[in-house]
Amino acid sequence: DAMVIQNPRYQVTQFGKPVTLSCSQTLNHNVMYWYQQKSSQAPKLLFHYYDKDFNNEADTPDNFQSRRPNTSFCFLDIRSPGLGDAAMYLCATSRARENRYEQYFGPGTRLTVT
Amino acid sequence: GQSLEQPSEVTAVEGAIVQINCTYQTSGFYGLSWYQQHDGGAPTFLSYNALDGLEETGRFSSFLSRSDSYGYLLLQELQMKDSASYFCAVTSGATNKLIFGTGTLLAVQP
Repeated sequence: DAMVIQNPRYQVTQFGKPVTLSCSQTLNHNVMYWYQQKSSQAPKLLFHYYDKDFNNEADTPDNFQSRRPNTSFCFLDIRSPGLGDAAMYLCATSRARENRYEQYFGPGTRLTVT
Repeated sequence: GQSLEQPSEVTAVEGAIVQINCTYQTSGFYGLSWYQQHDGGAPTFLSYNALDGLEETGRFSSFLSRSDSYGYLLLQELQMKDSASYFCAVTSGATNKLIFGTGTLLAVQP
C-alpha cells in the first residue's frame, strides 16, 4: 500500500547531540512537510519542500534543518537538541496539483532528549 | 498574526450529534480542512471546504462561511471510536501548507 513511513518511531538523544529523523513516501507526492507536535498541542509546521524548493517557516529555529535528496525521502536534522525539542515529529505529504489538498501523515517519531 | 480557535473539549454520548466550531484569522486562505487524531496516532484527513456551504461525507459534515471566517465539523451518530482530537486547519498557499487550530478533544460516553 502507498504510504508515508517514518523511522525510527522512537528516538532518544542526548542534550546537544545531533539527531536525524527520516521520512519516506511511496505516494509520489511533490510536497513533503515536517511538523512538530508537543503534548496536547496542535501540529506546528517547521518547513516544507515543494519539489526541490525549500520553504522555511519564519519562526522555525535555526537548530532545525531539512534535506530532500529525492522525491521519496526527506530528513529532519536537529543540530543541537535541547530539552524543549522533545516532541512528536510528523512527516506529511501532499500532491499540490490537480486540486488535491489533503495531507497524508506518517506515524511520527517521538523524540526524547535526555 | 494567524490564529484558529476551537473549543478545547467537548463531551457527548453515543448516538448523539456534536458540532465543533472553528474561527480563524489568517492570510492567504485557500480552504478549511478538518483532521482527526487519536491519542498517539497521526492526524488523518476528514474533510475540506474551499467554498461556502456544507460538505457531507458519511457521518461527518463540514461547513464553511468565508465571510464570517468560521467553520464547523458536525459528527452524527456518534460512536465510541470517534473519541479523539479534532483539528481545523487552514490551507495557506499553493503548496497546501496547513496552519492548525488549537484542537478539540472529543470524549464520547456510553
